[in-house]
Amino acid sequence: DIQMTQSPSSVSASVGDRVTITCRASQDISIWLAWYHHKPGKAPKLLIYAASKLQTGVPSRFSGSGSGTDFTLTINNLQPEDFGTYYCQQANSFPAIIFGPGTKVDFK
Amino acid sequence: QLQLQESGPGLVKASETLSLTCTVSGGSINSNNYYWGWIRQPPGKGLEWIGNINYGGTTYYNPSLTGRATISVDPSKNQFSLKMTSVAATDTAVYYCARRWSPQNRAYFDSWGQGILVTVSS
Repeated sequence: DIQMTQSPSSVSASVGDRVTITCRASQDISIWLAWYHHKPGKAPKLLIYAASKLQTGVPSRFSGSGSGTDFTLTINNLQPEDFGTYYCQQANSFPAIIFGPGTKVDFK
Repeated sequence: QLQLQESGPGLVKASETLSLTCTVSGGSINSNNYYWGWIRQPPGKGLEWIGNINYGGTTYYNPSLTGRATISVDPSKNQFSLKMTSVAATDTAVYYCARRWSPQNRAYFDSWGQGILVTVSS
């Protein structure tokens, strides 16, 4: 089975900062990776799919990159509504859907 | 705008069956383009995929649940449901329903419900 890891597990940042989160797959998943944002009590939100494609309606300060086993989510000019937990999800091994453990972004 | 809403008991006794329903509004569950899924998040932990179903009843499940989960669909009510048997304290979680979207034949969840907390009591 594919295992997903994320680093860091948590990061403290300020409004306006650039935040970078890394996701690593235990085997090659090509570009088949998504990123989600989740705030407590809210529905998770799909941000990026196929490693770098921005979902409709997602601000351009979010970007994704990577292929193979290593992927990055970058948030430029962090906004107050961006705090919460970010999860990666592999979409290579159909039909299994596997999420990473999450990275919590909170106020410095 | 598509909306999904989970409903069901918030408290289930250990060894009994958890039953949840997801009502879809603002769109039809009768689509070849989508599957409909359940995901859960135990307290303090990450997201775990439970399974998916399409309007025709084709299902896929997370093998780690060892056959305890069953997902069904009722297109006439625009609903799909989850049953999980022999629950234990480890099944305590927020349960989300979501729409599975498959661009380029890959699976992502592009619309989610708010989630419902289910606590398993002893």
